[in-house]
Amino acid sequence: QVQLVQSGGEVTKPGASVKVSCKASGYIFSDYPIHWVRQAPGQGLEWMGWINAGNGNTKYSQNIPGTVTITRDTSASTVYLEMSGLRHEDTAIYYCARKSGSFSSDFWGQGTLVTVSS
Amino acid sequence: QSALTQPASVSGSPGQSITISCTGTSSDVGGYNYVSWYQQHPGKAPKLMIYDVTKRPSGLSNRFSASKSGNTASLTISGLQAEDEADYYCSSYTSSSTFVFGTGTKVTVL
Repeated sequence: QVQLVQSGGEVTKPGASVKVSCKASGYIFSDYPIHWVRQAPGQGLEWMGWINAGNGNTKYSQNIPGTVTITRDTSASTVYLEMSGLRHEDTAIYYCARKSGSFSSDFWGQGTLVTVSS
Repeated sequence: QSALTQPASVSGSPGQSITISCTGTSSDVGGYNYVSWYQQHPGKAPKLMIYDVTKRPSGLSNRFSASKSGNTASLTISGLQAEDEADYYCSSYTSSSTFVFGTGTKVTVL
């Protein structure tokens, strides 16, 4: 069965960096792009970007600062979200989600809480 | 890219039908048949309910239906049940090859 398992929660300080992972299983990793979506406490969903797991091409939201990078390791069937220069307002749950054959996300990771606190 | 506009809250009694709207622009909702709807219960990851404007994933209740007219998409929940109480988000592909979510709607079953 399709599963996306994310790394555990992180607590970090303003200005620091963090790297969240999303390990895929149950399907051919390179066949499906992966999205990253974040949700600040009590707020709505915000699309951050996506990566073509096959060729590594990426596309980011215009609303996301240039300090966000999405990469993948095909040998590990894992996608990464790296954020640097973190600010308090980056505190959120970060979800990875598989892009289905259509333009939707059919499977989601469990979410990773990143807390930025001084 | 601005978020798609949804009502903050919608409520209904068990057995009733409710409709949630999702308004965008010709660069997203109106320009593509790639509107999706997600249900999110507290503390849980979102769950895909509708894709490609009107299609339901396999196994999903037919109490959920959706449509689109111009720049506005809509999700209808018929025969409202207690377990339908959740947050609902629409999403659309955009002309920038990105995606955008709606502002979210809290559905309350009275």
